[in-house]
Amino acid sequence: GEDVEQSLFLSVREGDSSVINCTYTDSSSTYLYWYKQEPGAGLQLLTYIFSNMDMKQDQRLTVLLNKKDKHLSLRIADTQTGDSAIYFCAEGTGGFKTIFGAGTRLFVKA
Amino acid sequence: DTAVSQTPKYLVTQMGNDKSIKCEQNLGHDTMYWYKQDSKKFLKIMFSYNNKELIINETVPNRFSPKSPDKAHLNLHINSLELGDSAVYFCASSPSGGAQETQYFGPGTRLLVL
Repeated sequence: GEDVEQSLFLSVREGDSSVINCTYTDSSSTYLYWYKQEPGAGLQLLTYIFSNMDMKQDQRLTVLLNKKDKHLSLRIADTQTGDSAIYFCAEGTGGFKTIFGAGTRLFVKA
Repeated sequence: DTAVSQTPKYLVTQMGNDKSIKCEQNLGHDTMYWYKQDSKKFLKIMFSYNNKELIINETVPNRFSPKSPDKAHLNLHINSLELGDSAVYFCASSPSGGAQETQYFGPGTRLLVL
């Protein structure tokens, strides 16, 4: 079946790196996404990676994909208080369906 | 110039009532979705529509009836509201429903059933 799992909470100090992990089950997923949800708002796409890539870097964000283990991670360098939000891992399975994880709540302490 | 808009933003109602939530996108997308986010923030797809046609119905009770009068709109009507329907409902759209596409989310409708 399709399932995406993430740890629910992560707390870091301002200036440190944050690493949010995710595992997924559908090996046919072609795209994997990270969405960010700020309080009281909808989800916004942060970054994505195509399944034939191992790594993608976008400014402070680094996405690592281990397709063999079906493991995805998001690293945020120099984490700021404005990065406090819920981060959702998602897999694009096609067929008009994206499966979302439960979200990781990132708390950044000043 | 909001891309995906939903109304109302907040909805407080009594058990047993019928209510509707509206969604509109001005992105020219063919595919629209409804998601339910519960109090623990789990985000579950309810429906997806492509070109006004229902594509996915994820075992949602038939008290929930989506309607797509045109490609830019996907409304959600809920009959006989129950306490467990309290949640945040998000509308989203994407160009054509492909796995490689970004979904654009509305701001959410916070439904509280008393």
